[in-house]
Amino acid sequence: QVQLQQSGPGLVKPSQTLSLTCVISGDSVSSNSVAWNWVRQSPSRGLEWLGRTYHRSKWYTDYAQSVKSRITIDPDTSKNQFSLQLNSVTPEDTALYYCVRGAQPGTGSWFDPWGRGTLVTVSS
Amino acid sequence: QSVLTQPPSLSGAPGQRVTISCSGTSSNMGTGYDVHWYQQLPGTAPKLVIYSNNERPSGVPQRFSASRSGTSATLAITGLQPEDEADYYCQSYDTMNGWVFGGGTKLTVL
Repeated sequence: QVQLQQSGPGLVKPSQTLSLTCVISGDSVSSNSVAWNWVRQSPSRGLEWLGRTYHRSKWYTDYAQSVKSRITIDPDTSKNQFSLQLNSVTPEDTALYYCVRGAQPGTGSWFDPWGRGTLVTVSS
Repeated sequence: QSVLTQPPSLSGAPGQRVTISCSGTSSNMGTGYDVHWYQQLPGTAPKLVIYSNNERPSGVPQRFSASRSGTSATLAITGLQPEDEADYYCQSYDTMNGWVFGGGTKLTVL
């Protein structure tokens, strides 16, 4: 059974960097048949896919246009985890952040399972 | 404004059949991308209830089913149970925006 354990600060100051980590158990971050994603949820924006990393003989990343200039998703094979960094945050980045496995490699992928979520508030 | 459109809310009595619609466009469902559905109980993460348009994951009750046609998809719940009260989201892929979700439908069991 795949489980995703998230960690990271719940409060970030405006203009600083949001950093979250997701530890994977029951699967491998290096698996060639899945992808590792970050999705956020807020009342104003609903559920929003942010980006993903995946391994197909080498590492790839895809990012949503809305955050492309500010986001980095990195795998860490030594710890079987992946991370999210979102730079230059504003109060609009306040949301519940989820790490999620993409169950298929392609565009038809669904998300399962989901981490429990980390509420990140951007405030001074 | 979500890329996929769902009704904000609907309700049904125990035992009834309810359907939740999800409407897309030519850049997502109209291109043939699969539709998936999630259930989110209060205070929890979304949970997959339908994948690949009409497939039910192991452990999801048979009363959950779904279909899609063109730029629309529908989630149906038959024999509505009190524990089905939740928010439901559709999800697909969009050529402009990547993976996208509906705005969610709050289902109330009367």
